[in-house]
Amino acid sequence: GEDVEQSLFLSVREGDSSVINCTYTDSSSTYLYWYKQEPGAGLQLLTYIFSNMDMKQDQRLTVLLNKKDKHLSLRIADTQTGDSAIYFCAGASSNDYKLSFGAGTTVTVRA
Amino acid sequence: DVKVTQSSRYLVKRTGEKVFLECVQDMDHENMFWYRQDPGLGLRLIYFSYDVKMKEKGDIPEGYSVSREKKERFSLILESASTNQTSMYLCASSLSAHGGTGELFFGEGSRLTVL
Repeated sequence: GEDVEQSLFLSVREGDSSVINCTYTDSSSTYLYWYKQEPGAGLQLLTYIFSNMDMKQDQRLTVLLNKKDKHLSLRIADTQTGDSAIYFCAGASSNDYKLSFGAGTTVTVRA
Repeated sequence: DVKVTQSSRYLVKRTGEKVFLECVQDMDHENMFWYRQDPGLGLRLIYFSYDVKMKEKGDIPEGYSVSREKKERFSLILESASTNQTSMYLCASSLSAHGGTGELFFGEGSRLTVL
């Protein structure tokens, strides 16, 4: 299985960029994901990246993958108060039904 | 709109009680999952099912069992609840049998307190 680690807290000023980092152990991970959990809600998929990609951009979100270092990051440009949430990094290999999640990074956006 | 519904948002039970957590999805998904979420530990997989009547243990199955009699419904059972099972329980489903995009659709969670 996959072991995924991420820092627990991030505080960012409104309008700045947020960068959330994640490391994983399984080099065979084929898919890597970022999920967002708003207060009182379940998780929602934000974006994902395949292991054959280095970068993926989707509006304010940029995902960077460094396969050599097994490092994944999520950058949120122009962070807004609505971006305050817990962000989970997750990984899965191609023949595995299940995702392994990190502990989650709580992002707090301050005015 | 896709939907995973967990029957109870909040439950309070006593030690030793049998607890049922129900989850229903309306997306005709093959795979269903039960996770528990604890601060600082993230999500840990309890059990999952990739077909009706099929189940497989996740990372922390001890003290839990599951039932999947119909494709749309996946139940988590605590035979004898204990205080260390106080947690948020999240049900999820996914379509792809082999990861694919791997997108999990989550319910809103069931917060269980065991006294």
